[in-house]
Amino acid sequence: QKEVEQNSGPLSVPEGAIASLNCTYSDRVSQSFFWYRQYSGKSPELIMSIYSNGDKEDGRFTAQLNKASQYVSLLIRDSQPSDSATYLCAVNSGDNFNKFYFGSGTKLNVKP
Amino acid sequence: SQTIHQWPATLVQPVGSPLSLECTVEGTSNPNLYWYRQAAGRGLQLLFYSVGIGQISSEVPQNLSASRPQDRQFILSSKKLLLSDSGFYLCAWSAGNQPQHFGDGTRLSIL
Repeated sequence: QKEVEQNSGPLSVPEGAIASLNCTYSDRVSQSFFWYRQYSGKSPELIMSIYSNGDKEDGRFTAQLNKASQYVSLLIRDSQPSDSATYLCAVNSGDNFNKFYFGSGTKLNVKP
Repeated sequence: SQTIHQWPATLVQPVGSPLSLECTVEGTSNPNLYWYRQAAGRGLQLLFYSVGIGQISSEVPQNLSASRPQDRQFILSSKKLLLSDSGFYLCAWSAGNQPQHFGDGTRLSIL
């Protein structure tokens, strides 16, 4: 099974700061990468997808992908207390089944 | 727009009892469907996936089974639950190789 590694945290940042979340993956076959946000007791919610090397920005979120280093990250600018959640990194299987493999998640705490 | 429904939201079952969790998707045809389990404080473990009616693949050996009797219906079952089957069960769908979207999940407790 593919390995997806994340620091479990918690990562604590003050309100208004930049939160940086990191993820590494083991299989070079993976072509698609995703970040999900999961509030306590809730199901994961997709926040970013990235498919090619470089940066992708969406509002306060920026995903960064480096396939050579097998590394994907998520930056959250101007962090808000409502961003406090667990962030899950997912990579796909690279085949027609589109299976996703998830990291164990990084817990983010944004302090007011 | 597409929606995914999962039920029940919570379930408490005794050890050895059967299980049936249901998931349905609306607003799309021939979706890929997935069952995951999340243990407390852990990531999501893929249990089963299906790319079409009657086509089920298992990712890990376990006490559970899955079925897809209709295009947009996915069922997770067990004949006899074990304590280790406790967890948060999530159904997800995707259109081809697009992102997966999750239902609200079922929290299963085994006593």
